[in-house]
This record gives sequence, C-alpha cells and structure tokens, in this order.
Amino acid sequence: AQSVTQPDIHITVSEGASLELRCNYSYGATPYLFWYVQSPGQGLQLLLKYFSGDTLVQGIKGFEAEFKRSQSSFNLRKPSVHWSDAAEYFCAVGGEKNFNKFYFGSGTKLNVKP
Amino acid sequence: DARVTQTPRHKVTEMGQEVTMRCQPILGHNTVFWYRQTMMQGLELLAYFRNRAPLDDSGMPKDRFSAEMPDATLATLKIQPSEPRDSAVYFCASGPATSIYEQYFGPGTRLTVT
Repeated sequence: AQSVTQPDIHITVSEGASLELRCNYSYGATPYLFWYVQSPGQGLQLLLKYFSGDTLVQGIKGFEAEFKRSQSSFNLRKPSVHWSDAAEYFCAVGGEKNFNKFYFGSGTKLNVKP
Repeated sequence: DARVTQTPRHKVTEMGQEVTMRCQPILGHNTVFWYRQTMMQGLELLAYFRNRAPLDDSGMPKDRFSAEMPDATLATLKIQPSEPRDSAVYFCASGPATSIYEQYFGPGTRLTVT
C-alpha cells in the first residue's frame, strides 16, 4: 500500500540553524516525490519535486531534498532557517501507478526560535 | 500571478443544511482535485477530475457529497445534508496538462457545521 510517513510532528530550530525534515514513503512503483509548505490559514505551496534524474533537487526558498531509494526517503533540508520558514511541511508521493493521486504525510510543524 | 481561487473562505452552517463550495482552477489547468484537511485525518483526497471528467471519487462519502465541473473554469463540491463531522478545511487544487504531477492549491474553505 502506498503511504508517506513524517515521523516528526513538531520540530523547533533556532533561526540561522540548519534544518532537516524527514519523510519516508512506501510506493509500489517509481515514486514521484514532493514537498509542500502550508502557512497558517493558507493553502499548500509546492516547494520542490522529484521525478527522476539527479537525486538532489533544489526548490524555492532555499530548500533542497535528497531522494534515497535504498532508504525510501526524501528528506527536506535547508542550511539556514529564517523566521518566515515557520509553517507546516508536507511530504507527498505519487506516480504513474496512481494517476495523479497523491498520498500526503501527516505533516511536520516547524517552529523557529529567534 | 495565476492562483486557484475558492469561495467562500469560511462557512458556518447548521446540521442538515446544504453546503456548496466553489473553486476556480488556474486558467489552462486541466486537472482539479478536492481535498479535506482535519487535525485527525490530515489531508484526504476526496475526488479529482481531468478535462472535467471525474477520474476518482473513491475518497468521497457518496451518500452526501457530490463533486462536479460544470465548465473548465468552475469546480463545485456539495454536501447535502451536512453533518458536524464534515467540519474541516476543504482545498481545491489544479494541475497543468504539461506536468500532470504538479498541484497548485487554493486557500481553502473552512467549513463549520454546528
């Protein structure tokens, strides 16, 4: 069965510190992987996506993610967090196996300390 | 700056009433998705359309929910009759034909059923 696990419900980091949000997936075919960010009261905004090719993908707002097939992971990283990054982050998996159908993780809420 | 729009942004209604939520996808996008977000269940895909045809509505309670696309610029999600357990934020997302695995989310409709 297809699923996405984000093991961290809440994470707090200090402004300027590095960030890594974890995402593990289960998918029975070639996965297409996504990270979205949701600010309070807003919809989800696409940060980055992985379809194929280079396993390190760059996204908007200085985020990057690395696809590791052997670990079924797609962790999101940022070298230096800004206060405006405080939001909820969702990992999602989809692919040709399930035409357009995304499976979202439960989200990780990021707090940023000044 | 093209965006998905949703109306209303907030809706409070009494149990048993009909609720209609509307979504205007980004011009030129040919896939439309409806999601429901709650604290308990997270993001759930209710239904999605491609070229106005419903492709999958297996996530939707059929007895009270219905989703339609009367034309390419309007998608509707209707609940009749509404129940308190329907209280949630309902998101619409649209995706381009050129990149079917991308989804762009609207700001959501926050529904409260009393």
